[in-house]
Amino acid sequence: AQRVTQPEKLLSVFKGAPVELKCNYSYSGSPELFWYVQYSRQRLQLLLRHISRESIKGFTADLNKGETSFHLKKPFAQEEDSAMYYCALNGGANNLFFGTGTRLTVIP
Amino acid sequence: DAGVIQSPRHEVTEMGQEVTLRCKPISGHNSLFWYRQTMMRGLELLIYFNNNVPIDDSGMPEDRFSAKMPNASFSTLKIQPSEPRDSAVYFCASSLFTPAGPGELFFGEGSRLTVL
Repeated sequence: AQRVTQPEKLLSVFKGAPVELKCNYSYSGSPELFWYVQYSRQRLQLLLRHISRESIKGFTADLNKGETSFHLKKPFAQEEDSAMYYCALNGGANNLFFGTGTRLTVIP
Repeated sequence: DAGVIQSPRHEVTEMGQEVTLRCKPISGHNSLFWYRQTMMRGLELLIYFNNNVPIDDSGMPEDRFSAKMPNASFSTLKIQPSEPRDSAVYFCASSLFTPAGPGELFFGEGSRLTVL
């Protein structure tokens, strides 16, 4: 069965510090993974997807099949990064399964 | 495009009452999803449709929940009878699914349901 685990519900870092939001998945097939973000008073929106291998707003995420992880990283956190972050897995049939989310707070 | 439109934005009702949540997907999208968001469980997929046909409703909690998509521009999620534990934010999302795979999900602003 598909499962996405985000072990941290809350994460606080200081501005300028590195940030890493953890995501582990369980899936028998070839995974397709995403990070979605919800800023205050905004809609949930796509941040990045692993197949794109791109950096968005300074964030990157590498799929590690050995560790079944897709952690989201940014070297220097900014205040505007404060938001709710969700890791998501494509279940193979056009359905996306989300983790429980991590609320990131960047302290000025 | 105004994006995915959901109504109502807020609903407060009493236990036992029927609740109907509505969603208008982005024009041209062929997939529609209903999610429920709670603090404990995060975002749970309830049901999704492809070309107006329900594909997977295994996430629907119980028979009190039902969803329909009578046409490409409208979907409803109904709870009857409602219970306090149904209190949550319900999100609708749509996407364009192609042979290359699922596209980006575009979410509505959500419907916050409170059942007293």
